Amino acid sequence: DTGVSQNPRHKITKRGQNVTFRCDPISEHNRLYWYRQTLGQGPEFLTYFQNEAQLEKSRLLSDRFSAERPKGSFSTLEIQRTEQGDSAMYLCASSFPGTSSLYNEQFFGPGTRLTVL
Amino acid sequence: AQRVTQPEKLLSVFKGAPVELKCNYSYSGSPELFWYVQYSRQRLQLLLRHISRESIKGFTADLNKGETSFHLKKPFAQEEDSAMYYCALLQGGSEKLVFGKGMKLTVNP
Repeated sequence: DTGVSQNPRHKITKRGQNVTFRCDPISEHNRLYWYRQTLGQGPEFLTYFQNEAQLEKSRLLSDRFSAERPKGSFSTLEIQRTEQGDSAMYLCASSFPGTSSLYNEQFFGPGTRLTVL
Repeated sequence: AQRVTQPEKLLSVFKGAPVELKCNYSYSGSPELFWYVQYSRQRLQLLLRHISRESIKGFTADLNKGETSFHLKKPFAQEEDSAMYYCALLQGGSEKLVFGKGMKLTVNP
């Protein structure tokens, strides 16, 4: 499978624990995005990287959330001191810049489902 | 603030019936609008974008700036169209996609 991959696919943790998710984008895609999707809602933007630079962050990304993309390839999303409200599907997407300023299609991964007990 | 509204959560039709999935948006600039689809056990994927003005899998969507709408239509639904459909808006100068809550389409045989 040459698409966006995410690990783990499922994570169950206890409230107060830290969790880390990994996203591997499609090779040569220099843009990487994180979204969160709760039950009955559409995906909500969290943050976006171009190469290793984090260029946009949503207000949804509280101090307990941190995302990195140290070498401009894979990315990690860490949640510290998890709360029950953090239970959601965390989606990663990547895109290739293309040659124009038009929107470049975001390709989504399968997501990591987090359950905080 | 930018917002995407999908007023209906569920739509159930019989095969061969026309379908229209409604999407309204709120945005002060010139929007780029998209429809994303998620089939059962598959990833979210782009179905179509308004700027392309193309028909994908028999679906079309027209951007109506006067009514701030971007409804998705198909004249004859097929069973394989059953899926979750999300309308999304791209903010100008941003890579941030704003999604609606989604709508589940079920096409019955």
